[in-house]
Amino acid sequence: KQEVTQIPAALSVPEGENLVLNCSFTDSAIYNLQWFRQDPGKGLTSLLLIQSSQREQTSGRLNASLDKSSGRSTLYIAASQPGDSATYLCAVRSSNTGKLIFGQGTTLQVKP
Amino acid sequence: ETGVTQTPRHLVMGMTNKKSLKCEQHLGHNAMYWYKQSAKKPLELMFVYSLEERVENNSVPSRFSPECPNSSHLFLHLHTLQPEDSALYLCASSQAGSSSYNEQFFGPGTRLTVL
Repeated sequence: KQEVTQIPAALSVPEGENLVLNCSFTDSAIYNLQWFRQDPGKGLTSLLLIQSSQREQTSGRLNASLDKSSGRSTLYIAASQPGDSATYLCAVRSSNTGKLIFGQGTTLQVKP
Repeated sequence: ETGVTQTPRHLVMGMTNKKSLKCEQHLGHNAMYWYKQSAKKPLELMFVYSLEERVENNSVPSRFSPECPNSSHLFLHLHTLQPEDSALYLCASSQAGSSSYNEQFFGPGTRLTVL
């Protein structure tokens, strides 16, 4: 059974810092991996999607990497801003079932 | 309206009430999903509809009853719920096709509180 773990559960940093969020998964049979952002009480916004054949994806200040063989992904946020404060969710899509399996998220607070 | 919309955004109901959650997608997709997000737990997939047929039911109690009248609309009918059903209910849509693993787009959710 695929399990997705995100570490840390919560993170607080001063504005301007570069930071890394971690995601690990137990079954390497994945079709893709997706990072989402969720603001309090709101829905999910897709940030980056990495296909299983890819190593990384970049969008603005965000860079996501994928190491499928070791079951790991990282989301790198450069020059963090208070507006980046949110919960970041990692989800893998199983290539066996097609299901999207989510981690519990990392709640980020960027202090001005 | 654009993307995926959900109504109501907030709902408080007693255990004996019957209510419905509505989801509408404006993306031309043909697959729709219901997820439940409880505090401190990962999102859980509840139901999947593809081409208006229910293709997945993840052992969800019968007090939750989904309905997909067309490819743009999805409902979740609720009756005799329990307090532990209080959660954020998220709807998503995607394009189903030869690759059923297409990106899902999420609505803002309905925050449900069962008293």
